Amino acid sequence: KAGVTQTPRYLIKTRGQQVTLSCSPISGHRSVSWYQQTPGQGLQFLFEYFSETQRNKGNFPGRFSGRQFSNSRSEMNVSTLELGDSALYLCASSWTSGGASDTQYFGPGTRLTVL
Amino acid sequence: DAKTTQPPSMDCAEGRAANLPCNHSTISGNEYVYWYRQIHSQGPQYIIHGLKNNETNEMASLIITEDRKSSTLILPHATLRDTAVYYCIVRLYSGAGSYQLTFGKGTKLSVIP
Repeated sequence: KAGVTQTPRYLIKTRGQQVTLSCSPISGHRSVSWYQQTPGQGLQFLFEYFSETQRNKGNFPGRFSGRQFSNSRSEMNVSTLELGDSALYLCASSWTSGGASDTQYFGPGTRLTVL
Repeated sequence: DAKTTQPPSMDCAEGRAANLPCNHSTISGNEYVYWYRQIHSQGPQYIIHGLKNNETNEMASLIITEDRKSSTLILPHATLRDTAVYYCIVRLYSGAGSYQLTFGKGTKLSVIP
């Protein structure tokens, strides 16, 4: 079974631009979560989608948004990019996220560099 | 904030068992302990999880104390490819049927030849 895939793997943008990252979950998984990883802050939770609805959101500004499609694929968007948005963006999928032992599996990440 | 405490770094000789400790003294009765590892700049890799009983899979064993306030991840025969940052995580309920993983700083395990 294929794992979580993320595209693109690497991205370079300039300040003020916007960016869209894509995540395809493991087949059959309906929950997709997004995380940001930076050297200073570590791995931080952005938001989680299930059945096309955002169920949970971390402490990030409104410039960070996401959505989920009917096939469970998800995208996240960052508008008006800032230098501090340079990070590894990780996507994780799980069956439902509704169970205490529902395991999340991570993709390889998208490395975003903002110049 | 993360609900777990781990040593920042550990060394282990290749071929020996690596025992990675984790304290989670405020864990609730229905919260699971998860372990992930991350090799430099890759996505975290799921290792194992447990609630109260000891667990074993093809990668590792998880020993949880009876009071559930601490646990130990055991890699039985460490190899150089096990060099990574290991995260011990208590999976927290966030409401609306959603759980999230709150990562701490983890333990940097270095396997020495």
